[in-house]
Amino acid sequence: DTEVTQTPKHLVMGMTNKKSLKCEQHMGHRAMYWYKQKAKKPPELMFVYSYEKLSINESVPSRFSPECPNSSLLNLHLHALQPEDSALYLCASSQDGAGALPSYNEQFFGPGTRLTVL
Amino acid sequence: GQQLNQSPQSMFIQEGEDVSMNCTSSSIFNTWLWYKQDPGEGPVLLIALYKAGELTSNGRLTAQFGITRKDSFLNISASIPSDVGIYFCAGQPPGNTGKLIFGQGTTLQVKP
Repeated sequence: DTEVTQTPKHLVMGMTNKKSLKCEQHMGHRAMYWYKQKAKKPPELMFVYSYEKLSINESVPSRFSPECPNSSLLNLHLHALQPEDSALYLCASSQDGAGALPSYNEQFFGPGTRLTVL
Repeated sequence: GQQLNQSPQSMFIQEGEDVSMNCTSSSIFNTWLWYKQDPGEGPVLLIALYKAGELTSNGRLTAQFGITRKDSFLNISASIPSDVGIYFCAGQPPGNTGKLIFGQGTTLQVKP
């Protein structure tokens, strides 16, 4: 299995809602990432988990809360979002975020969740 | 912070033509990755480069890791309509944090 899967594919939520995005990989990768992407822009890194521990938080507002329940799963909990948070949210994984071999840092992306905040 | 300058920003070419795009930086990178993204999908890894001067091919795609470690290019030969999409370069700076720095992307359109 060489896929990163994400659910849901699309999500529409109000500013007072609480929702969660889910990401799963079964490649045995030990690093997982959340990115935010606006139309026609490159992905922007939000969080990095390495060996199930949060290693990087790119000064993301607290209304985004990541969680890594185990080495295969990554969640992003959303609460009190703003309309400007509407974007494509991408999950990625790599064999090892600080790998001894360069190939360990190749990041594989999921298809993304298209989030719309009303 | 580190930035990657990717050019051109967009290209509109005829089917069958060759395409070239590149990324440059004022800082060095340990790894260069090239991704393609179709509308509404996640980026797909095309080619990974690990050593300065390395030249790697993947079908009609060829990419090189610049000798100074500050640049990389991607060539696509004999373009076809399914090559349409946005191509991103990404570099991993020294430090092994797992962070990637992305270029701004090159949008490719192919006219049949």
